[in-house]
Amino acid sequence: GAVVSQHPSRVICKSGTSVKIECRSLDFQATTMFWYRQFPKQSLMLMATSNEGSKATYEQGVEKDKFLINHASLTLSTLTVTSAHPEDSSFYICSVRGNNSPLHFGNGTRLTVT
Amino acid sequence: GESVGLHLPTLSVQEGDNSIINCAYSNSASDYFIWYKQESGKGPQFIIDIRSNMDKRQGQRVTVLLNKTVKHLSLQIAATQPGDSAVYFCAENRAGGSYIPTFGRGTSLIVHP
Repeated sequence: GAVVSQHPSRVICKSGTSVKIECRSLDFQATTMFWYRQFPKQSLMLMATSNEGSKATYEQGVEKDKFLINHASLTLSTLTVTSAHPEDSSFYICSVRGNNSPLHFGNGTRLTVT
Repeated sequence: GESVGLHLPTLSVQEGDNSIINCAYSNSASDYFIWYKQESGKGPQFIIDIRSNMDKRQGQRVTVLLNKTVKHLSLQIAATQPGDSAVYFCAENRAGGSYIPTFGRGTSLIVHP
C-alpha cells in the first residue's frame, strides 16, 4: 500500500492568516489524492479530491476559494487554508489510493486558529 | 465553529475477550467496504476490506461479516489486546464506482487490561 507523509503534524496560527499543509506520497505516484476534515469525536468528511495537473474537485459546501488545493506533481498535494478563522480549527487528513488498494492516510494535521 | 460534542458509541471489553463492532451502511448500491482503525491523533489505518460478492473475510485476528440484506457490516476482533483500543470506522464506497469511501460514525473501542 501507499505510504503517505503529511506535514506539519500540528500548527497554530492567528485568525486571518493562511496555513499550508503538505501531503506526500512516498512510494507511489498518485494522480489523485483526497483531503478530509475531522472534528473531535466525529467522522471523516471528504473535502475535496486533488487531481494532478488539473483543478481539484470540491465536495458540496466546501469553499474552494478558502481551501486552496494544488497538486503540481505525482507525489505532492498541498492544502492551503486561507484567511483562517477559529471555526477552521480541525484535524485535516490527506489520503492516497494505490493501485487496486484502499485509501491510505497520512497522520493528519491538527490546525488550531487563535 | 466548535463541534457539537457528539459522543461516539463506545464498546468496553476486557483484554482477551472477543470484540464485535457493528456498522449499518446506507447505500444498497455500495459494493466495497473497508474497516479503518484510528488511534488518537493519527490518521486512519486500513484493517480489512470486503467486496459485496462475499459474506465473510478473515484476516489476522479480525473477521469482517457483510449482510447485504439488512445493510449491516461487522468487525470481529479475536483476543482483543490493549493496543486495539482506538476508534473504528466502517466505510462504504460511493455509489458510481469511484471508490471514494464514505465514512460511518465510528465506534470507540476501549480494552481494559
